[in-house]
Amino acid sequence: GAGVSQSPSNKVTEKGKDVELRCDPISGHTALYWYRQSLGQGLEFLIYFQGNSAPDKSGLPSDRFSAERTGGSVSTLTIQRTQQEDSAVYLCASSGASGDIGELFFGEGSRLTVL
Amino acid sequence: AQSVTQLDSQVPVFEEAPVELRCNYSSSVSVYLFWYVQYPNQGLQLLLKYLSGSTLVKSINGFEAEFNKSQTSFHLRKPSVHISDTAEYFCAVSPSGNNRKLIWGLGTSLAVNP
Repeated sequence: GAGVSQSPSNKVTEKGKDVELRCDPISGHTALYWYRQSLGQGLEFLIYFQGNSAPDKSGLPSDRFSAERTGGSVSTLTIQRTQQEDSAVYLCASSGASGDIGELFFGEGSRLTVL
Repeated sequence: AQSVTQLDSQVPVFEEAPVELRCNYSSSVSVYLFWYVQYPNQGLQLLLKYLSGSTLVKSINGFEAEFNKSQTSFHLRKPSVHISDTAEYFCAVSPSGNNRKLIWGLGTSLAVNP
């Protein structure tokens, strides 16, 4: 499809397990973002990739969280040793040229539930 | 530090009534302003944005927002809402136009009732 694709759409896991969330951005978009949306909270910035530059990891909440982007396209967000407070919707977004200020294209999110 | 406050978490309204969703921000630098909408079971999508020029910006589906620098506000309005406008609306600001530094409000849930 032409939009941002995320998988899985829903993930239920047990505390302590590792999870991987995948994001396939819009073809040609150089920037990719991960956000976390918790109940009653705004969107929390996690990490940003721009082309071949070093990613901005300033939003990652702990060292259990990591992300990579292979070949400048698909990205994977990994959460190790999941905790109940990690339960949230994880949103991926991409954007094109730097002139498209503020126009992020979001996927439908991956809802993570940690039991 | 920049922040965004959406003053109403929920706004119930009847169809064809006017609506205003309020957004205030704080910033020590110039900002760009955005409203995003999230329809049920869909991803967020840009509704409208203010970058420069006319302080009144409009979307294709009848919403408009006005940037008021003195009141640091960017309220979203529509003169007559439809059932299909039922969604979550998020206000966001971008200091210095840096996408990854978008600061988000907590969202306002608009429920349009028949």
